[in-house]
Amino acid sequence: EDQVTQSPEALRLQEGESSSLNCSYTVSGLRGLFWYRQDPGKGPEFLFTLYSAGEEKEKERLKATLTKKESFLHITAPKPEDSATYLCAVRTNDYKLSFGAGTTVTVRA
Amino acid sequence: DSGVTQTPKHLITATGQRVTLRCSPRSGDLSVYWYQQSLDQGLQFLIQYYNGEERAKGNILERFSAQQFPDLHSELNLSSLELGDSALYFCASSVDQRGPQETQYFGPGTRLLVL
Repeated sequence: EDQVTQSPEALRLQEGESSSLNCSYTVSGLRGLFWYRQDPGKGPEFLFTLYSAGEEKEKERLKATLTKKESFLHITAPKPEDSATYLCAVRTNDYKLSFGAGTTVTVRA
Repeated sequence: DSGVTQTPKHLITATGQRVTLRCSPRSGDLSVYWYQQSLDQGLQFLIQYYNGEERAKGNILERFSAQQFPDLHSELNLSSLELGDSALYFCASSVDQRGPQETQYFGPGTRLLVL
């Protein structure tokens, strides 16, 4: 069975304190790994798609990387507006998207 | 704003009732997906439609059904509602289900409360 595990569950950062979120997966036939950001009570907002090991994508203070077994979302010099839950999802050969439980990031000013 | 619209935003109903949630995909998107998000289960895939046809099924209960209409909007029907069906229901859409165009864009969700 496909499994997606995110760690840590929660992360409290001081403004400017860089950190990384982890997404490890066990799937058969990876067709893409997706990162989303979700604010409370809102729909997930698409951030990145990664398709192959070694691939990296960047957007403002966020950078996503992918290896054969895991992905990292690096947050560089975070600001309070980066506070959100970050969701990782994997897409396999059956086209279904399986989500991890998410990492809730809180950035204090 | 993702371009995906969902109505209603909030829905309060009683156990045993039936409700219909509506989703309009982004312009040009052919695939529609439905998800349920509850506090203890996280985001769970329910069902996918592509250009009017069912393409994939997740953990969707038999009391739940969906369809996609010729204009590509979709409806999720929930019947014989139970307290445990209270959750956020999201619709997502994508152009296709292969390659770079398979990114799913989510709507704002419908919050369902069953009393």
